[in-house]
Amino acid sequence: QVQLVQSGAEVKKPGASVKVSCKASGYTFTSYGISWVRQAPGQGLEWMGWISAYNGNTNYAQKLQGRVTMTTDTSTSTAYMELRSLRSDDTAVYYCARGEAAVAPAKFDYWGQGTLVTVSS
Amino acid sequence: EIVLTQSPGTLSLSPGERATLSCRASQSVSSSYLAWYQQKPGQAPRLLIYGASSRATGIPDRFSGSGSGTDFTLTISRLEPEDFAVYYCQQYGSSSTFGQGTKVEIK
Repeated sequence: QVQLVQSGAEVKKPGASVKVSCKASGYTFTSYGISWVRQAPGQGLEWMGWISAYNGNTNYAQKLQGRVTMTTDTSTSTAYMELRSLRSDDTAVYYCARGEAAVAPAKFDYWGQGTLVTVSS
Repeated sequence: EIVLTQSPGTLSLSPGERATLSCRASQSVSSSYLAWYQQKPGQAPRLLIYGASSRATGIPDRFSGSGSGTDFTLTISRLEPEDFAVYYCQQYGSSSTFGQGTKVEIK
């Protein structure tokens, strides 16, 4: 069965960086893409960006350009999302979700369990 | 960026009733690239509907989606106890954006 298992909760100080991992299993990793979606406490869903596990192409949400980097390690079927220069409003649950391999906009049919990132001094 | 506006914000209904949720886009969603998700507290979202009207794998047929262009609807024909949750629409025709959600609560 398809599974996306994310790394554990993180607490960071403002200005620091965080890197969240998402290990995929149960399907051919390079046949799909991975998007990252975040949800601030009590708020809605925000798409952050996408990476193709097939060719490494990326597409980031404009508001996060320059602060976010998404990568994959095809040898371990793992996707990573690094967010830099953290601010208090980056406090959220971060989800990885499976999408299309070739294009960024996609429906998300499987989701990770979420990783809580707390930014606090 | 396409903005999605969901209404109502909260829907108070009883089990067995019909739920009708609306999602309106600020501009036309190409090729009906519109999805609906269900989210329960402490859980990740679950895909219900994609392509505006296609049910995802394993989704009961009491869930149906309709619409095109800028107006889309999710209908739950008869609410089961497990259906009380928050529902989000998402467009994926131009980048990707989500609506702010509709909470379906027990009356």
